[in-house]
Amino acid sequence: AQSVTQLDSQVPVFEEAPVELRCNYSSSVSVYLFWYVQYPNQGLQLLLKYLSGSTLVESINGFEAEFNKSQTSFHLRKPSVHISDTAEYFCAVSPPNAGGTSYGKLTFGQGTILTVHP
Amino acid sequence: GAGVSQSPSNKVTEKGKDVELRCDPISGHTALYWYRQRLGQGLEFLIYFQGNSAPDKSGLPSDRFSAERTGESVSTLTIQRTQQEDSAVYLCASSRRTGAHEQYFGPGTRLTVT
Repeated sequence: AQSVTQLDSQVPVFEEAPVELRCNYSSSVSVYLFWYVQYPNQGLQLLLKYLSGSTLVESINGFEAEFNKSQTSFHLRKPSVHISDTAEYFCAVSPPNAGGTSYGKLTFGQGTILTVHP
Repeated sequence: GAGVSQSPSNKVTEKGKDVELRCDPISGHTALYWYRQRLGQGLEFLIYFQGNSAPDKSGLPSDRFSAERTGESVSTLTIQRTQQEDSAVYLCASSRRTGAHEQYFGPGTRLTVT
């Protein structure tokens, strides 16, 4: 079984400041890692994912996350946030392919509300 | 193209009544998931459909919950004899094929049991 812990329920920051949203996971097997974002009044959208290869992954809007296996973490960072980044961010894990079939069931953290102030 | 759609967007029901929630996945997506999000909590997996295989119902919280999907089309989640603890946002997601790891989420149905 897997579990995900997002250490901060709310993170307020000022515009153009850096931000880090923390995510730690627990699993007895290797996992795939995801960050989803939910903007106000919108559905969940995939922000970025780690499946294999380089441990640093980036999104198209300037966010990045680094998979740290020894610390079982997948923290999300952005060096300079914008008002439009205000949203709720969810970290999630899923088991990798097994036995030739893929099962993408996601286990989510509780979410972090990022509020960017002018 | 159209994304995942869900209906109704909001549902208020009295305790003890049955409700039915609907999900229209993206055309061609073989996998469909239902999740529940209670206030202040993360999303909980409920059930997973993959093509014509038997669904994984391991996340359904009680036998009052059931879901159906015909082929690769619409899915319905039914909650019988609703309780106040069933109040939550119910989210549906679909993904393109076996091995794909991006799930596309619908806007959700907000269920309030009074």
